Amino acid sequence: EVQLVESGGGLVQPGGSLRLSCAASGFSVSRSYMSWVRQAPGKGLEWVSVIYSGGSTNYSDSVKGRFIISRHNSKNTLYLQMNSLGPEDTAVYYCAKERAATGLFDYWGQGTPVTVSS
Amino acid sequence: DIVMTQSPDSLAVSLGERATINCKSSQSVLYSSNNKNYLAWYQHKPGQPPKLLIYWASTRESGVPDRFSGSGSGTDFTLTVSSLQAEDVAVYYCQQYYTTPPYTFGQGTKLEIK
Repeated sequence: EVQLVESGGGLVQPGGSLRLSCAASGFSVSRSYMSWVRQAPGKGLEWVSVIYSGGSTNYSDSVKGRFIISRHNSKNTLYLQMNSLGPEDTAVYYCAKERAATGLFDYWGQGTPVTVSS
Repeated sequence: DIVMTQSPDSLAVSLGERATINCKSSQSVLYSSNNKNYLAWYQHKPGQPPKLLIYWASTRESGVPDRFSGSGSGTDFTLTVSSLQAEDVAVYYCQQYYTTPPYTFGQGTKLEIK
């Protein structure tokens, strides 16, 4: 059974950093395309970043240069290092597995909330 | 980037009645070589992760009730709930996967009971 469990969210001051984790089971993170998607309060879903099976990465313009997506293959875990955080980064962050490089997100974690506030 | 626009932003429908949600893409998401529309619908309930409902514009994900259906082609798409049930209250999003990244979603449509 595929499971995704996020952790690492919390309250952080503007300008601070946070690292989110997404522990996966039931499939291999290293052989999958994995994304982070966020939902700000009262807003819709916003794609943040993707790491492909080959290891290359991509980011939305809103986080490029501040966030870093990575994975630990032996731990089967996905990460999102978030730096220079601002109030606009306040959101619930979901990790999501892409189905066979289709662009479809077929499994999602429960999400971890991040609040950027002084 | 392909911009996805949904209408309406919110919708209240009586139990057992039909609900219709529209999604428009800023450019066609129909891939001519395989005649497939790269358009998906997700259901998002409070406190839960989003759930994939429909892909290729009209293919139901395994386990999704047949009261959910998708239609449309090119730039205009529709999600229909044929007979609204209480458990269908959620926010629904369309997403294009024709050109990624970025993966773009519509702004969401909140479906409620009248």
